[in-house]
Formats: sequence, C-alpha cells, structure tokens
Amino acid sequence: SAVISQKPSRDICQRGTSLTIQCQVDSQVTMMFWYRQQPGQSLTLIATANQGSEATYESGFVIDKFPISRPNLTFSTLTVSNMSPEDSSIYLCSVEMASGRSSQETQYFGPGTRLLVL
Amino acid sequence: QKEVEQNSGPLSVPEGAIASLNCTYSDRGSQSFFWYRQYSGKSPELIMFIYSNGDKEDGRFTAQLNKASQYVSLLIRDSQPSDSATYLCAVILGNTGKLIFGQGTTLQVKP
Repeated sequence: SAVISQKPSRDICQRGTSLTIQCQVDSQVTMMFWYRQQPGQSLTLIATANQGSEATYESGFVIDKFPISRPNLTFSTLTVSNMSPEDSSIYLCSVEMASGRSSQETQYFGPGTRLLVL
Repeated sequence: QKEVEQNSGPLSVPEGAIASLNCTYSDRGSQSFFWYRQYSGKSPELIMFIYSNGDKEDGRFTAQLNKASQYVSLLIRDSQPSDSATYLCAVILGNTGKLIFGQGTTLQVKP
C-alpha cells in the first residue's frame, strides 16, 4: 500500500472561515477520493478528485462549498469553505491501488484531518 | 433500506472467543466487499477483501461471502483485547461502482 499523509492533522476554526486540507501520496495513483466522517458516523464520500479536470461530487456536496484541486497524480487538496459548526468532522483522503497480494483494487486511507468549527 | 447495513453493537466477546461481525447489502450486482478496522481516533485500515462466494482466510481473520443472501461476514478467531475497534463493512455497488460503507460494528474484547 502507499504512504498517505494529510495536513493539517487537526484544526480549530471560526465559523465563516475556510480551511484547505492537503493530501500527499508517495506514489502516483489514478484515483483519489475525499470522505467525511461526522462524529459517531460512518464514512460518506464527498467527491472523486480527478487529475486534470473538475472533481466529481456526490449528491449533497457542491463545488462552491468543497472545492477540490488535483494538480498531479500524487497530490490533492480539499477546501471546506464558509465553515459552520455542522462542518465539524474528520476529513479523509483515500487512494485506490491494487492490493499487494492480488490485482484487486482497494482503497487506502490517509490519517485524516480532525476539524472543529466554533 | 440502506445500501450497506451493519449492527452498530457494541458486540462484546471474551478474550480467546470467536467474534462474528455481519453485514448485508442491497445491490445484488455488487462484486467486491471489504472489511476495514478503525481504532478510536484513527483512520480506517483495510483488513480483508473478498469477491468470490465462500470463505477467505488470512491469519485469525476469515471473510465469508454469500451473494445469494447478499450477506458478508467477518470472523475473528482467538479474539484479543487489541481487536477492540469499530469494524466497517464496505461494498462496491454494482450500479455505481462506488465504495459505500456501513455504519460499523463496535467490537469489545474483554480480558
């Protein structure tokens, strides 16, 4: 599996501000994804970060609120814009890679960014 | 009906016992199934994947898939306190190709 890092690991922000989260992978990957995990909940896919084109957003998520960049095959950013306390969550990036023991594509997750909005 | 369903638990088992975690899914066309483990405050870690009917074993873990019943399970043999975590079932839906997660089952292994 790849080594995936995220910055920042955690942050406390004021409502109305924006935060950009970075995701870096140590190898080139085609597919990168952004998820949200609200307190006590499971993971919800926000969008697929496409290299060289606009991200593909899931129902309930829009580009104005969660702009995403994917400038190359090892890096992506997610911005949480005009934040409110409801945006308090863990934000996770993931990459899709073949498992070392087979050709099955699987998703591996970064360590996450813990965001608290006051 | 949720696309992927799990009992949230907590499931409590004594150390050394077999823990059985279950998951059902709604899309009959789904082909790939995954189990992730998530410790409190950490990100999900892939344990196993399975895509053929039957059992797949890896150390103390066995994944079981029954596509006819739309059911996937994870057995943990000789459970250890370090296995205490939330176990997430995830399915690639046949109709969208997206990875969808269940709510997760919290497992507590008591010494």
